[in-house]
Amino acid sequence: DQQVKQNSPSLSVQEGRISILNCDYTNSMFDYFLWYKKYPAEGPTFLISISSIKDKNEDGRFTVFLNKSAKHLSLHIVPSQPGDSAVYFCAAHAGNYGQNFVFGPGTRLSVLP
Amino acid sequence: GAGVSQTPSNKVTEKGKYVELRCDPISGHTALYWYRQSLGQGPEFLIYFQGTGAADDSGLPNDRFFAVRPEGSVSTLKIQRTERGDSAVYLCASSFAGTGITDTQYFGPGTRLTVL
Repeated sequence: DQQVKQNSPSLSVQEGRISILNCDYTNSMFDYFLWYKKYPAEGPTFLISISSIKDKNEDGRFTVFLNKSAKHLSLHIVPSQPGDSAVYFCAAHAGNYGQNFVFGPGTRLSVLP
Repeated sequence: GAGVSQTPSNKVTEKGKYVELRCDPISGHTALYWYRQSLGQGPEFLIYFQGTGAADDSGLPNDRFFAVRPEGSVSTLKIQRTERGDSAVYLCASSFAGTGITDTQYFGPGTRLTVL
């Protein structure tokens, strides 16, 4: 059973508009969440993270929101740029999981010029 | 090189054969991780090294999979008696210390393994 879910396999957005990528999780022990971006033929690269003690973290055009009661987080990209087109993975960490992360299946974002 | 490198980039083998996948982490990084990514899925944790020792190998699917890091730098993932279900992209990541959850993991480009 997937503990981290990204229910939208793909998303298309017009350049300059907002992109919202969603992630849901089931394990209430998760205490740290990350978003990774992946281009074809490259490994995932870290984008932004949030601790479970916060509900928002912002870094430039990227903002991550966490709703613990709903076990839901989202990544907002404003404004979206064509270079943002990639697969975005949500990942979560639980204190009793050591150093490994649990990844969602990813959402492919296409930003149209 | 500044990043994590993995060789080979592609490996095609026949069912039942033995394969080795290599990972060169970022210089100075003490923690090293192996993940497996199947088509349409996110990376799935396999094993984590702190220095030379495997600190967590709970993700290895069975005893056909084994990984080593004898000098605390380069790591090799070894798969015996390969099966078609082992076909996937094998990702390696490294981090500076691996002792805190905020320690960023840097990924290599992966090795695409195809078992015929």
